[in-house]
Amino acid sequence: EPEVTQTPSHQVTQMGQEVILRCVPISNHLYFYWYRQILGQKVEFLVSFYNNEISEKSEIFDDQFSVERPDGSNFTLKIRSTKLEDSAMYFCASYTGLLQETQYFGPGTRLLVL
Amino acid sequence: QKEVEQDPGPLSVPEGAIVSLNCTYSNSAFQYFMWYRQYSRKGPELLMYTYSSGNKEDGRFTAQVDKSSKYISLFIRDSQPSDSATYLCAMSANSGYSTLTFGKGTMLLVSP
Repeated sequence: EPEVTQTPSHQVTQMGQEVILRCVPISNHLYFYWYRQILGQKVEFLVSFYNNEISEKSEIFDDQFSVERPDGSNFTLKIRSTKLEDSAMYFCASYTGLLQETQYFGPGTRLLVL
Repeated sequence: QKEVEQDPGPLSVPEGAIVSLNCTYSNSAFQYFMWYRQYSRKGPELLMYTYSSGNKEDGRFTAQVDKSSKYISLFIRDSQPSDSATYLCAMSANSGYSTLTFGKGTMLLVSP
């Protein structure tokens, strides 16, 4: 069964460093998302992406964040200058666009900012 | 008032029990309702997806939506130790493309 994949599974970085989280959505899906989950808290929406542009973003998704679909398969989230509070699980999700479907999530990248 | 509320548990049951998991919500615009299962430090795995009010059954799982009460439920019959996980409810206003709003999740522990 097709699935969303994410790399790396774990990332440790120093505060102020840039990180890029990578996702390969399910191949026939058209909508792509990033969510994050701080330990012990809810899964929170960050950004959605469709037709090569951001379709919606939350207040969390400030100028430090950017997304890109550099080729036909990858979808990336970049954090330019990481902060301690960016430590979380980051989930990529994708969706076909069909009414009877919904979003499928990847296994996540655990980001730890020291 | 929080947009989606879910009792965090843990809910402990013996193997074979019927489990009832619930969420309440405040936003009447929500039309699409999902249940995801999340094992420790893993991604949410879609279990059930329903639109508007009514019931939907899939194997041992039944999802129920009561929009008049803003209340959704997930029932698990003949629960197994492998069902031990955190169950997240999620909802959206406009089908799969719109952002999902999650509950905090209920931790379920099924003992053999």
